[in-house]
Amino acid sequence: EDQVTQSPEALRLQEGESSSLNCSYTVSGLRGLFWYRQDPGKGPEFLFTLYSAGEEKEKERLKATLTKKESFLHITAPKPEDSATYLCAPRNNFNKFYFGSGTKLNVKP
Amino acid sequence: NAGVTQTPKFRVLKTGQSMTLLCAQDMNHEYMYWYRQDPGMGLRLIHYSVGEGTTAKGEVPDGYNVSRLKKQNFLLGLESAAPSQTSVYFCASRVAGGTDTQYFGPGTRLTVL
Repeated sequence: EDQVTQSPEALRLQEGESSSLNCSYTVSGLRGLFWYRQDPGKGPEFLFTLYSAGEEKEKERLKATLTKKESFLHITAPKPEDSATYLCAPRNNFNKFYFGSGTKLNVKP
Repeated sequence: NAGVTQTPKFRVLKTGQSMTLLCAQDMNHEYMYWYRQDPGMGLRLIHYSVGEGTTAKGEVPDGYNVSRLKKQNFLLGLESAAPSQTSVYFCASRVAGGTDTQYFGPGTRLTVL
């Protein structure tokens, strides 16, 4: 059965304290894994798409990586404005997206 | 470009009432989606459309109907609202092919009493 799990559910960091968010997935014939950022009261905002194991993408303080079973979102020297919920969504070979429940990140100044 | 817009932003219904949520996109996208988001759960797909005049069921379609009469609009209807339909509803759209990135609207918070 296709599924996705994100951990931890919540993460509190001090400004400048680097960490990683995990997205574990089991999908049939992965056709892309998507990362989104969601601010309170808003819709998800696209960050990255990864298509194959070993692929990495970076944007400012964020770097996403992909293996055959997991994806990580690494946050380097985070700032308070990075506080948000981060969602991952693998897509299977039937074009179905499976959204995780997210990791709520809180960065304290 | 406004991107994806949703109307209304908030709504309170009584059990048994009906309503329609409107999603509009100005990006000429072929695909449109309706999701619901509940606390502690990921976004769940309700219905989707791959083009004007077409619709298909998603993961949790019961109690909802949709229509895509115009390419830019995707309507979600609740014929007889139930408390279990209290949720935040998001619409999304994307181009066919390409990067497959979905672009989301700001959401509609619906409460059914």
